[in-house]
Formats: sequence, structure tokens, C-alpha cells
Amino acid sequence: DSGVTQTPKHLITATGQRVTLRCSPRSGDLSVYWYQQSLDQGLQFLIQYYNGEERAKGNILERFSAQQFPDLHSELNLSSLELGDSALYFCASSVAERAEAFFGQGTRLTVV
Amino acid sequence: GENVEQHPSTLSVQEGDSAVIKCTYSDSASNYFPWYKQELGKGPQLIIDIRSNVGEKKDQRIAVTLNKTAKHFSLHITETQPEDSAVYFCAALGGGSYIPTFGRGTSLIVHP
Repeated sequence: DSGVTQTPKHLITATGQRVTLRCSPRSGDLSVYWYQQSLDQGLQFLIQYYNGEERAKGNILERFSAQQFPDLHSELNLSSLELGDSALYFCASSVAERAEAFFGQGTRLTVV
Repeated sequence: GENVEQHPSTLSVQEGDSAVIKCTYSDSASNYFPWYKQELGKGPQLIIDIRSNVGEKKDQRIAVTLNKTAKHFSLHITETQPEDSAVYFCAALGGGSYIPTFGRGTSLIVHP
């Protein structure tokens, strides 16, 4: 158990809908990263927050947004969902930037 | 930005054999290189890492080597066991980037 908690574990929704994925980082970790993993794909970086502030953006679609709250948990919002958004979404946390990152178990999103 | 290439994409070995996975990186300023193991249905788990001030690090049956001049690093698993079967990801971090950049992964299959 990495100490990073993601909810829900599984999510099935229809095209056009909006969902929110939640991540609770390890106790004491200030940095949160979101990654997308599609079938046969590697880990694609989406966005990073550090102590509540957005620090870096990867290939995140405009339909996707995220935030980190004062208690350091983070949410990833996915809207106007398309079939191609079906993937595993992982959250990782680290105590500081450029430190070891620990991953949660992921949320499997299926868009039908 | 950083680019990480990982080979092979699939590696099949017999139980007891050694396995080697190789990665190259592009940014000479990268200074932290973690390796992750992802079992089916789970999140990536940090198994070993190395920083640029050392050339080799061992942890029981797992070792990682780093050649800064050639900009490549490798994961070595000795006396492989069926439970080593998983997807392994390398990553590079440092320099001007706060974000771990991952290789595309290697699917290791250990046959009993």
C-alpha cells in the first residue's frame, strides 16, 4: 500500500458526461501528479500541483481540469467525455518536487 | 523536454534466468532515475531508484546501473521468479523538469 488513495476505483459513464476523480496523497506529501494510462500506452503526464498551486501541465485536454485543495487532496475533472477518454487515471504524490513519487491504485474510467 | 526510450517492450525469460531492461534519456541535466513495477490491475510501485552521483545500486535481486556519459540506465533482475512478471517502467527526472518522464514500459514474463 503506497498510502495514496484514489476514489472511485471504477467508473462507467456515458459520452458527454462529466466525472470527478479524487486523490488523497500520502500524509505529508505536498506534490500531486495526475497521469493517464490508455491500453498499451505508457504513463502520460497530465498535470502537477504543489501545495495548492499548479506547477506543470502536460498533454491535458481543455475538457480536463484539476485542482488541489487546502487539505492537499486533489480532484481531476473530466467533462464532455468521449469514448477515447476511457483509460486508467493515476494519481501520484511526493513529499517535494523532484522526490520519489508514489502512485495510487488508479481509477478505471470506462466511457460508453 | 526530456525523452525516455525503453527496450525491450516485451521480455520473456525462464524462471531462474536474469532479465535486463534498458532505458536511455535525452536531458543530460536529469539526475534521478526511478524504476516502477506495475502488476495487473494495480498502480505502479517504486522498486528501486538511482541518483546521478552513483553508478550502481543493489537491493537483493534487483540492481540498477547508470552511465551518465552515454545517458542510459538499466534494471537488472537476477534469479527471476514468476512473481516478477509485470510491466516495468523507467523514468527520468531533474534538470529543469519537476516531472518524472516515463518510458513506454517493458512487459516481463517469467515462465515457471
